[in-house]
Amino acid sequence: KNEVEQSPQNLTAQEGEFITINCSYSVGISALHWLQQHPGGGIVSLFMLSSGKKKHGRLIATINIQEKHSSLHITASHPRDSAVYICAVRYPETSGSRLTFGEGTQLTVNP
Amino acid sequence: NAGVTQTPKFQVLKTGQSMTLQCAQDMNHEYMSWYRQDPGMGLRLIHYSVGAGITDQGEVPNGYNVSRSTTEDFPLRLLSAAPSQTSVYFCASSYSPIGSYGYTFGSGTRLTVV
Repeated sequence: KNEVEQSPQNLTAQEGEFITINCSYSVGISALHWLQQHPGGGIVSLFMLSSGKKKHGRLIATINIQEKHSSLHITASHPRDSAVYICAVRYPETSGSRLTFGEGTQLTVNP
Repeated sequence: NAGVTQTPKFQVLKTGQSMTLQCAQDMNHEYMSWYRQDPGMGLRLIHYSVGAGITDQGEVPNGYNVSRSTTEDFPLRLLSAAPSQTSVYFCASSYSPIGSYGYTFGSGTRLTVV
């Protein structure tokens, strides 16, 4: 069982819709990352969170440390947002660039 | 352009062959790592390095070797390829140990072992 659970696994939306992708983890973490994997395979860092909320353009990421849960929101979704969104966590006892990843959420935004 | 360069992009190997996947970054990042991505599973850490001369095992290190002789390069060696190593491999680097400024990933190497 993956220690990092994402939901939903697949999500289809119409252009303009508000999107929410969820990530839950089982034990305390030091940081949580949201990544975007493009259809061509490239992976891009979106956010790093240790508490609270961050916003970049139409993307908003929140984390609730007590509930061990994070959400990634996309406002006014667009077909170019279609990608796999990946949640990854770093545990306090690990060093370097060690991350534990969720399986990803495949988002498709239709025009 | 600054970033992480992975080569090759595609490779087919026969069982038992060896090869090296190359990874180079020009951002002076201390932290580098190799992941594999398989269908139905999240990315899994193979090996990582916190600086030149320092490497350590990740979650799935068996069958792979790494070295870090310079800050820029972090090659991944497959010693004797097996079909179970068919996967997409990503190299990543970061400036800070917890990725405070994000991670930079290479474009990936799609490896097939027949």
